Amino acid sequence: ELQLVESGGGLVQPGGSLRLACKASGFRFSSQWMKWVRQAPGKGLEWVANINPDGSRRYHVDSVNGRFFVSRDNAENSLYLQMNILSAEDTALYYCTNERCDFWGQGTMVTVSS
Amino acid sequence: QAVVTQEPSLTVSPGGTVTLTCGSSAGAVTSDRFPYWFQQKPGQAPRTLIYDTYKKYSWTPARFSGSLQGGKFVLTLSGAQPEDEADYYCFLSYDGPWVFGGGTRLTVL
Repeated sequence: ELQLVESGGGLVQPGGSLRLACKASGFRFSSQWMKWVRQAPGKGLEWVANINPDGSRRYHVDSVNGRFFVSRDNAENSLYLQMNILSAEDTALYYCTNERCDFWGQGTMVTVSS
Repeated sequence: QAVVTQEPSLTVSPGGTVTLTCGSSAGAVTSDRFPYWFQQKPGQAPRTLIYDTYKKYSWTPARFSGSLQGGKFVLTLSGAQPEDEADYYCFLSYDGPWVFGGGTRLTVL
């Protein structure tokens, strides 16, 4: 069964850091682009980042460029999002999804507050 | 990055037909944008309805269809059901980065 399980969210102070993880199973993780998508409370979906199968190409939305960094470990079937210099505007439910977006995790909540 | 625009809200009668549109500030939406439509209900993760403009997954109800019309990406719902009440998002590729539309809240009333 194909599954994506996010983890690593929590409450963090402004200026702090978090590392999100997404563990994949049930499909050839190493052959797919992967994406991070977030949704602030009561707001719409926002694409955050994506990364190609071998990790050599990655893209981030302008609002997180220089603060967030997407990576992957194909040996561990895992996708990561390193988030630095967090602000209240980064408060959201963070989802990972696969290349065709046909499978989504349940999301992990990040709350940035003092 | 480009801005993707959708109608903020639409209403359709049960059994009726409604068209949701998705436009891009970067020009006409084409199949090269690999367009997607997602449906999201309260408290749930998004669910993909349409990918690559018109392709459907096994779970996509037949009453939903995707197309390109007049430079926009279009989702047509024919024969709306009460369970179709949800938020709908389009999603476009820009040669690496992707952008979501702001979403359309569809009411079936």
